[in-house]
Amino acid sequence: GAGVSQSPRYKVAKRGQDVALRCDPISGHVSLFWYQQALGQGPEFLTYFQNEAQLDKSGLPSDRFFAERPEGSVSTLKIQRTQQEDSAVYLCASSISGTSGVVRDTQYFGPGTRLTVL
Amino acid sequence: AQSVTQLDSQVPVFEEAPVELRCNYSSSVSVYLFWYVQYPNQGLQLLLKYLSGSTLVKGINGFEAEFNKSQTSFHLRKPSVHISDTAEYFCAVTRNTGTASKLTFGTGTRLQVTL
Repeated sequence: GAGVSQSPRYKVAKRGQDVALRCDPISGHVSLFWYQQALGQGPEFLTYFQNEAQLDKSGLPSDRFFAERPEGSVSTLKIQRTQQEDSAVYLCASSISGTSGVVRDTQYFGPGTRLTVL
Repeated sequence: AQSVTQLDSQVPVFEEAPVELRCNYSSSVSVYLFWYVQYPNQGLQLLLKYLSGSTLVKGINGFEAEFNKSQTSFHLRKPSVHISDTAEYFCAVTRNTGTASKLTFGTGTRLQVTL
């Protein structure tokens, strides 16, 4: 499979638990994005990596949210002490380059992880 | 900052009829424009994009969109829809700069195609 993959596809957590969501981008893609999609809404930006560097984390809603991409490929989004308002679909996307350009700026999305916090 | 408005939350249409899904955007800088489709329990799939050049762009599955800078619009059209086009459609923008940047999405339009 050449697409973006995410795991788990579904996660149910009790309020207060920590969760970790994984994203495997398309091989060789430099840029990686995380988005949060609440029910009935469009995706909203959380954070952006260029290789292993986290260049923009302005969309992270609180300090309970943490993301990493230590080797510049796989990324993990961690949510500590989950709250009910964290329930959403978390989408990961990758693009081939860190430079905006004709083809390279297209973001390819994974299927998402649906997080339900009880 | 950029923003996207999709005024129609739902668009019902009969099969083989034409459809237009509206998208307006706001930005203080030059942007790229995208339409994505989302089928139930799936991620987003790119339909088409406007980066530069011709303002009429053609995408997959027979969809096309026209960029209108003066009206800051990027409406999506299809001359004849199929049942399989039933899905959620998202318009998105990203700033046209030297580095990759986040997508800003609209709230989506649910296209419901019936017989």
